[in-house]
Amino acid sequence: DTAVSQTPKYLVTQMGNDKSIKCEQNLGHDTMYWYKQDSKKFLKIMFSYNNKELIINETVPNRFSPKSPDKAHLNLHINSLELGDSAVYFCASSQEGQLGEQYFGPGTRLTVT
Amino acid sequence: AQSVTQPDIHITVSEGASLELRCNYSYGATPYLFWYVQSPGQGLQLLLKYFSGDTLVQGIKGFEAEFKRSQSSFNLRKPSVHWSDAAEYFCAVGAYSSASKIIFGSGTRLSIRP
Repeated sequence: DTAVSQTPKYLVTQMGNDKSIKCEQNLGHDTMYWYKQDSKKFLKIMFSYNNKELIINETVPNRFSPKSPDKAHLNLHINSLELGDSAVYFCASSQEGQLGEQYFGPGTRLTVT
Repeated sequence: AQSVTQPDIHITVSEGASLELRCNYSYGATPYLFWYVQSPGQGLQLLLKYFSGDTLVQGIKGFEAEFKRSQSSFNLRKPSVHWSDAAEYFCAVGAYSSASKIIFGSGTRLSIRP
């Protein structure tokens, strides 16, 4: 059973398009996260939700909008994609909040052309 | 503000040799420290974590790390590496506060020489 799953695994799209990445966790965790990993492997948190409520919102362009329909899902919608959005996006979840062990999904490699 | 420095971008060791990956952190209070591993094309997996207590912590896959407050370090060690240990290793620091989050270092890529 996959603990944290993301779809799609790869996403290639053109500048200006709108796209979504979906994340689901079956661990019963109450906190979920989105991270962005750039080409130099630098990993930076973007958002965190606890029981469907936004608790961390880093300085991310408002073209990025997370949505949590329930505590098992945290989707990421990106409007008007730009070249600089190309990266690997990781979803993660944890039970103990921000300090707990985080379980990461396999990542979604987004390429904007 | 919290920060993490991993001074080594890339390390190559021979299979069977010992390993030490360096991590230095900056935080005003007692930090919570983590080491994660990322195998090629995969997400991150927690190796070990330090919250309090014994400063030498044991993790999965035979890894251990030692918290040294005086040196602001949390170095990762393994006595004998295996080819399957080749991966990217990330040190991370967290703090308990209303706006807490985990800050990751820039990573150290480990290559294993046969």
